[in-house]
Amino acid sequence: GAGVSQSPRYKVAKRGQDVALRCDPISGHVSLFWYQQALGQGPEFLTYFQNEAQLDKSGLPSDRFFAERPEGSVSTLKIQRTQQEDSAVYLCASSRQGESGYTFGSGTRLTVV
Amino acid sequence: DAKTTQPNSMESNEEEPVHLPCNHSTISGTDYIHWYRQLPSQGPEYVIHGLTSNVNNRMASLAIAEDRKSSTLILHRATLRDAAVYYCILRDYETGNQFYFGTGTSLTVIP
Repeated sequence: GAGVSQSPRYKVAKRGQDVALRCDPISGHVSLFWYQQALGQGPEFLTYFQNEAQLDKSGLPSDRFFAERPEGSVSTLKIQRTQQEDSAVYLCASSRQGESGYTFGSGTRLTVV
Repeated sequence: DAKTTQPNSMESNEEEPVHLPCNHSTISGTDYIHWYRQLPSQGPEYVIHGLTSNVNNRMASLAIAEDRKSSTLILHRATLRDAAVYYCILRDYETGNQFYFGTGTSLTVIP
């Protein structure tokens, strides 16, 4: 596709429920990033993939958060036992190898009730 | 990564130039200066980046101070579609794979 696609666009989860958020990066983009954006704040880094390898997961806030990119294209961010503080927009971005700019998706807005 | 400081908000009249400042006094020699903007309900969008020299593209210009401790994003003629949050970000290509966003500058364009 022409851009980074994220699904679902909106997700409402009951506290304690597991959720899975999907990111389809631009075809051929080697690098993939996940960010979390709380209301009124800038995006905060969660994790980074180069192809299928997760090279940096230092931003994942707890062991309830897990990300994978098994074939080096589509990525899934999974949040187990969701808590209210997980409510945020989750953004995915991708870029070509060595490219300076990222292309972001429109994000998934997660609301935990 | 080095931090950046931006005003929380700015206003501009439509069709006038806008100068968005950013201070980065602790910038290192390998930090590139990036600007992204985020329109409501959208992900951030790349605007421009530079290292030492001023840069121009179809969206904007980036003016970098000689000591690199500050920079200015210039929108030459603001339109209503330029209303967004603008983020100034430093990225060290030698050590960093991610961007650290601050809270940015919220730009309001007045018709």
